[in-house]
Amino acid sequence: KNQVEQSPQSLIILEGKNCTLQCNYTVSPFSNLRWYKQDTGRGPVSLTIMTFSENTKSNGRYTATLDADTKQSSLHITASQLSDSASYICVANMNTGFQKLVFGTGTRLLVSP
Amino acid sequence: DVKVTQSSRYLVKRTGEKVFLECVQDMDHENMFWYRQDPGLGLRLIYFSYDVKMKEKGDIPEGYSVSREKKERFSLILESASTNQTSMYLCASDSSLERNEQFFGPGTRLTVL
Repeated sequence: KNQVEQSPQSLIILEGKNCTLQCNYTVSPFSNLRWYKQDTGRGPVSLTIMTFSENTKSNGRYTATLDADTKQSSLHITASQLSDSASYICVANMNTGFQKLVFGTGTRLLVSP
Repeated sequence: DVKVTQSSRYLVKRTGEKVFLECVQDMDHENMFWYRQDPGLGLRLIYFSYDVKMKEKGDIPEGYSVSREKKERFSLILESASTNQTSMYLCASDSSLERNEQFFGPGTRLTVL
């Protein structure tokens, strides 16, 4: 079964601290792995896209890693800000002719002052 | 600034009503998608379209239909709304290139009473 699992479900951290979100995926065929940020009541916004040959990709304070052998990815947030409070969704792309995205249920992050 | 827009942010309808959700993108993308998002579940694909007048069923098409008469516009239709269709509906678009970003609209929160 094609699926994406994320942990933890939710997380509270103090402003300025770092955190790491985890993602395990089992999809075949695998094309690329994405992380999206979704603010409450808004649509998801892309943070990073990595193919199986890429180990790491950064976007400002966000750094994603990918281990295609173990089918694991992580999203590391450095020096968190209040505006980082959101849900972070891991998405595996199967790309079976058309893009077929398999979404995780997300990690809800709350950055507390 | 690329954009996917949806006709309504909030919508309240009664059981049995016909409901139209409209989505417009200004990026000249070939592909457009409709998802629904429910608490505790990842985004689930309802329908997608890869060209004008073309449509493909996603994972949960039952109770829905779609229309794509123009490249920039993709409509989701609930022929007879039911309470289990209360959800957040997200439209997205992307181009046919591999490793391309999928852009999401702001979402429509539909409540069926």
